[in-house]
Amino acid sequence: QSALTQPASVSGSPGQSITISCTGTSSDVGGYNYVSWYQQHPGKAPKLIIYDVTNRPSGVSTRFSGSKSGNTASLSISGLQAEDEADYYCCSYTSRSTRVFGAGTKVTVL
Amino acid sequence: EVRLVESGGVVVQPGGSLRLSCAASGFTFDDYTMHWVRQAPGQGLEWVSLITSDGGFTNYADSVKGRFTTSRDHSKNSLYLQMNSLRSEDTALYFCAKGASAGKELDHWGQGTLVTVSS
Repeated sequence: QSALTQPASVSGSPGQSITISCTGTSSDVGGYNYVSWYQQHPGKAPKLIIYDVTNRPSGVSTRFSGSKSGNTASLSISGLQAEDEADYYCCSYTSRSTRVFGAGTKVTVL
Repeated sequence: EVRLVESGGVVVQPGGSLRLSCAASGFTFDDYTMHWVRQAPGQGLEWVSLITSDGGFTNYADSVKGRFTTSRDHSKNSLYLQMNSLRSEDTALYFCAKGASAGKELDHWGQGTLVTVSS
């Protein structure tokens, strides 16, 4: 199972909005509404920030939002803040009942 | 509060074996699917395996299938990963993660235990 495709890096200034894409196939991203997103700061464990494409767990900022079109899911961060600087990973359920992660995107706040 | 604590990571020679453990607390362990995810140094996350709440179904990434085995002990609230025929490419930080109650996401993670495969 190949990793989902994400841009290696995305950057933005404080207050701006950015979007991270996550492209898979009809056997994963396109076939199910089971895309989740994780935020990982250096040296820390990943943290769930979006599940089932669009849902936010309790306590996660409303500045994070998710969407999907066809085989591509997206994570948007609005009102970018210094604390948002981290690595972000998408993850999808697959037709083999496994999970597959994206390669990860490093977000830099300029 | 959900707590997941991994242990067992060490330096092991290629071809060797190792068993990782994950002690769970703060939730009803018997009710949830559990996962192992790994992260090679400086690299991204790679899903490794899952085991359903009753232990009746396990699934593995192609990269570890036939070499790794996931199990769980409900009496000890613990998850295990038996790793055999280890290769240098298995060097990674291994996280255990709790599956969500109704969905497919991983909603809580441990801090990881480091496995280094080297001669």
